[in-house]
Amino acid sequence: QKEVEQNSGPLSVPEGAIASLNCTYSDRGSQSFFWYRQYSGKSPELIMSIYSNGDKEDGRFTAQLNKASQYVSLLIRDSQPSDSATYLCAALPLISNFGNEKLTFGTGTRLTIIP
Amino acid sequence: DTAVSQTPKYLVTQMGNDKSIKCEQNLGHDTMYWYKQDSKKFLKIMFSYNNKELIINETVPNRFSPKSPDKAHLNLHINSLELGDSAVYFCASRRQGFSEAFFGQGTRLTVV
Repeated sequence: QKEVEQNSGPLSVPEGAIASLNCTYSDRGSQSFFWYRQYSGKSPELIMSIYSNGDKEDGRFTAQLNKASQYVSLLIRDSQPSDSATYLCAALPLISNFGNEKLTFGTGTRLTIIP
Repeated sequence: DTAVSQTPKYLVTQMGNDKSIKCEQNLGHDTMYWYKQDSKKFLKIMFSYNNKELIINETVPNRFSPKSPDKAHLNLHINSLELGDSAVYFCASRRQGFSEAFFGQGTRLTVV
């Protein structure tokens, strides 16, 4: 079992609709969670981080965290063709001062927004 | 003013050769990583360094040897390259105690 798992997709969503991306993690010690977006041929870029249970909204993006269920999701409202990319979920254990935090990624979900 | 920069961006080489990838960050971060991304986009951690010290080594073959001359640089040397080493290698950095990781532009390695 991978430490961080995502629905592999690909996921196709009509323009203007809501895209829903899901992620589960196995390490209950994970404290910080991230969503990265990666365009083809480019490097991952951070779009959302979440540390507490509940929702966190930033523009059209909402991250949701449920630590009891070990579940993280990303909602993209009013999807645009420019949102077409691979979305990577990542988890980090409790932040320490030792610098040994292992930032672990899921397998990614490829999202296509259909005009 | 690139925050995390890798060189080269592309690397095509024959099996059995030795090659190096360099990474530099100007963010003042304490921790640097090497990740390997396969054709299915899975980002697998290989190594992490904290203030020049090796912290994580994810059972990577001995042919891969990271080196950190100072906390702003983390290089990756690969000996006796194999076809299966073909992938995109990403360098990343983050500040100790803070969460966000920033990635370099990646090095696409093709072994023929």
